[in-house]
Formats: sequence, C-alpha cells, structure tokens
Amino acid sequence: EAGVAQSPRYKIIEKRQSVAFWCNPISGHATLYWYQQILGQGPKLLIQFQNNGVVDDSQLPKDRFSAERLKGVDSTLKIQPAKLEDSAVYLCASRGLPNRYNEQFFGPGTRLTVL
Amino acid sequence: SQKIEQNSEALNIQEGKTATLTCNYTNYSPAYLQWYRQDPGRGPVFLLLIRENEKEKRKERLKVTFDTTLKQSLFHITASQPADSATYLCAQGGYQKVTFGTGTKLQVIP
Repeated sequence: EAGVAQSPRYKIIEKRQSVAFWCNPISGHATLYWYQQILGQGPKLLIQFQNNGVVDDSQLPKDRFSAERLKGVDSTLKIQPAKLEDSAVYLCASRGLPNRYNEQFFGPGTRLTVL
Repeated sequence: SQKIEQNSEALNIQEGKTATLTCNYTNYSPAYLQWYRQDPGRGPVFLLLIRENEKEKRKERLKVTFDTTLKQSLFHITASQPADSATYLCAQGGYQKVTFGTGTKLQVIP
C-alpha cells in the first residue's frame, strides 16, 4: 500500500511570495489533514477535510492560507503572501474509516523556508 | 480549549533502561490518547492508542497507561535501544479532532 505523498519536499521563497503544496493521500482515505509543524513543536492542525468538504479550519489563517480538495482525493495548500513566521514543515495526513486505532498516516512533509 | 502538554522537551536514558514519557491534558477528558513516533525529516508514525475506559495497553516493548484522575498518560519503552531515539508525540482527541503535544525527544545512549 502506497503511503501519503507530498511535494515538493523542500521550498525556499522570499517573504510576500506565494507557494503551493500538494498532497496525495492513501487511496480510499476519506479524511485528509494539513498540519503546520514549527521546529521544536508538535503538529498544529490547519484544516481537516472529509471527502471534499471542510470539517475544521478554525486554525487556518484565512487571510493568507487556502486549501482545497477537489474530487475528494488530492489536496493543495497555498500560502499567499508568505510571511517569515510561515517557515515550518507542512505535513499532510490521511485517515480511513474509523477503527480501533483511528490512526493518521502522515506524509514526509514539505519544509518551507521564508527568507 | 483543548490543551495537551508533554512536560519534558528531552530525555536521555542509558541503553537497556526503561524510558518513561509523560503526557498531561487539561480542561476536559479526551475520548482517547495516541502516541506517535517522529524521526528527523519524517512525518509522525502511529504507535499506540488508549481509550478513556482503558488503564493500560501494551505492544511489544511499549506500554501506555491512562489515568483519568491525574489527567495523565505515561508511555514506557522497556529495554530501550539506541534505535528508539526519536521524538515521541502524544495526541488527544475524539472522533473528529486530534490535538498534538509538543513532543519529547528521547535519546538512548549506548
């Protein structure tokens, strides 16, 4: 079973530029998450999708961040314009049907550096 | 609001000893707690889940406990090995939302 794919793995941009990240979840997983992980901290949920609908985006800075999940499969996360404090690893995770573990499967992340 | 704390940023332990990591939650009781392992440059990997009505769970050399009175979960690695060195994340949640702690970086010294 293929895991969660993310691209790019690394991105360096200047502040005020735009950037987009892509995630392909595990096949058949209806739930998809985007997290921001700042160095030395735990993952912070930005947005959660159930199929192509948003379940929770309460911590998404909507003035600069946007995300979509067209057709309930792949997802993109965009930052426009980027700020220095957006430097972090952006993790995508997916989860299948609820089971005894409710585990999330994470991708390798995209490391963003904003200069 | 949901809050979960891992009170040790780093823990160094000698090989062969038992490592014990602590996770505390406040404000309300989560339906379950999860523990994940994260290696540098990688996403977290699920290890164990324990529900609020369970006292203890085991998986090979791993053991997790859930004390709803103390609002605390303990994560134990017995007979620790250098390969166990990683950051361990505690996460609490219900069905829909999971909140992660800041993690504890474990270093097992040969």
